[in-house]
Amino acid sequence: DTEVTQTPKHLVMGMTNKKSLKCEQHMGHRAMYWYKQKAKKPPELMFVYSYEKLSINESVPSRFSPECPNSSLLNLHLHALQPEDSALYLCASSQEGGGKTEAFFGQGTRLTVV
Amino acid sequence: AQSVTQPDIHITVSEGASLELRCNYSYGATPYLFWYVQSPGQGLQLLLKYFSGDTLVQGIKGFEAEFKRSQSSFNLRKPSVHWSDAAEYFCAVGARDQVFNKFYFGSGTKLNVKP
Repeated sequence: DTEVTQTPKHLVMGMTNKKSLKCEQHMGHRAMYWYKQKAKKPPELMFVYSYEKLSINESVPSRFSPECPNSSLLNLHLHALQPEDSALYLCASSQEGGGKTEAFFGQGTRLTVV
Repeated sequence: AQSVTQPDIHITVSEGASLELRCNYSYGATPYLFWYVQSPGQGLQLLLKYFSGDTLVQGIKGFEAEFKRSQSSFNLRKPSVHWSDAAEYFCAVGARDQVFNKFYFGSGTKLNVKP
C-alpha cells in the first residue's frame, strides 16, 4: 500500500468555524508533512512531524494546529481562518532517517474559507 | 541554501512531439532530486527520482531525466508526448536532515499539449 489518504476532499468553512483535516498512511513512514498550495504556485511546507513529534513549524499562524496522534495519522485543526487561507492542503509522508526516500502525497483537501 | 529553479512557466507542445522541461538546483551536497506531476486539483505523483549512480533515470509514463552535476541540472524528457501528459510538473530537491528530508519545490511548469 503506497497511498496517503486525505479526508475530506473538499471543505467549505466559515471564518468562525472549527474543522479538521485528516491524513492517513500505512507505509510505516515516520515522517509526515503538511503542505499548503495556492493556485498556480508550488507546495509550501507548513509542518513536519518525525516520530510523532513536531520537528518543523514554518512560522505558520496559530489558527492552524497540527496533531499526530500515532504513526499513521496526521491531523490539521483549523480555527478562525481567513479567506486567504483558502488553498489545497496536501499531506505527505516519507521514510525517516534523512535517507534516499521520496515523499508520497495524498490527493489533497480543497479548502474554501467564506 | 537549497533552491530549485524551473525557468519555463508554460510550455506548449504538439502531441507526438518530444518534450524537455528544465530544472536547475542549488544544494551544498549531493542532491536527491525528484520530478512530480500534478493534474488540476489533485495531489502530486512521483514521476522519477535520482539519489546516486547512473545519471540517466527512467520513470513512469515514459519519462526520463538526466542529472548533470556540472550544470546543476535535472531536466525531464519524453520522446513523444501524449495529450494525457498535460499537467503541471514540479522539480524538487530533498534536503537531508538527520531524521527526515525537507522537500523543496520549483515554481512548476505547466504543460499544454496541442492536438
